[in-house]
Amino acid sequence: QVRLMESGGGVVQPGRSLRLSCEASGFRFSSYGIHWVRQAPGKGLEWVAVIWDDGDNKYYSGSVRGRFSISRDNSKNTVYLQMNSLRVEDTAMYYCARGTTIYAVVTFDQWGQGTLVTVSS
Amino acid sequence: DIQMTQSPSSLSASVGDRVTITCRASQTISNYLNWYQQRPGQVPKLLISGVSSLQSGVPSRFSGSGSGTDFTLTISSLQREDFATYYCQQSYSNVLTFGGGTKVEIK
Repeated sequence: QVRLMESGGGVVQPGRSLRLSCEASGFRFSSYGIHWVRQAPGKGLEWVAVIWDDGDNKYYSGSVRGRFSISRDNSKNTVYLQMNSLRVEDTAMYYCARGTTIYAVVTFDQWGQGTLVTVSS
Repeated sequence: DIQMTQSPSSLSASVGDRVTITCRASQTISNYLNWYQQRPGQVPKLLISGVSSLQSGVPSRFSGSGSGTDFTLTISSLQREDFATYYCQQSYSNVLTFGGGTKVEIK
């Protein structure tokens, strides 16, 4: 079955860095774009970034552009989110999600359980 | 970035009620609009893609409509398991965005 598993979360001080991983299984990983979506405690969903299946196309939300970087290693079925210059407002549960295109519309059809990032001094 | 505005942000309803949630985009997004349900403590679940296409296993009491900038999610007869938070999401742009969410609570 399809599975996405995030790891790498933890407590970090403002200004420091953290790298999250999303390991996938149960589907042809190299054929899918993978997204990161975050949810601050008690708040709504916020899309963070995507890396397309080709690994060359990457897009970011305005709130993380220039600080976060997404990459993938298809040999390891893993997507990474490198988070630099972390801020208190980056505190959230970070989910990775598979991007599936249905009649040209990108949807998030499979989600991991998330990894919690806490930015605090 | 395209802004997605949902209303209301929360509502109280009873089992059996008809519930309507609205989502408005800051620019036209054609039919690139999806809806998700998130129950407390759970990850989001895709309900509807492309404005109105119900995903497999989603009850037919859920429906979606709209085009351009204005979209609607309707639950025709609210059931206990439908109490959750609902999010719209656009994929018209390469920078995707969610609405702020609508929490559906028990009256």
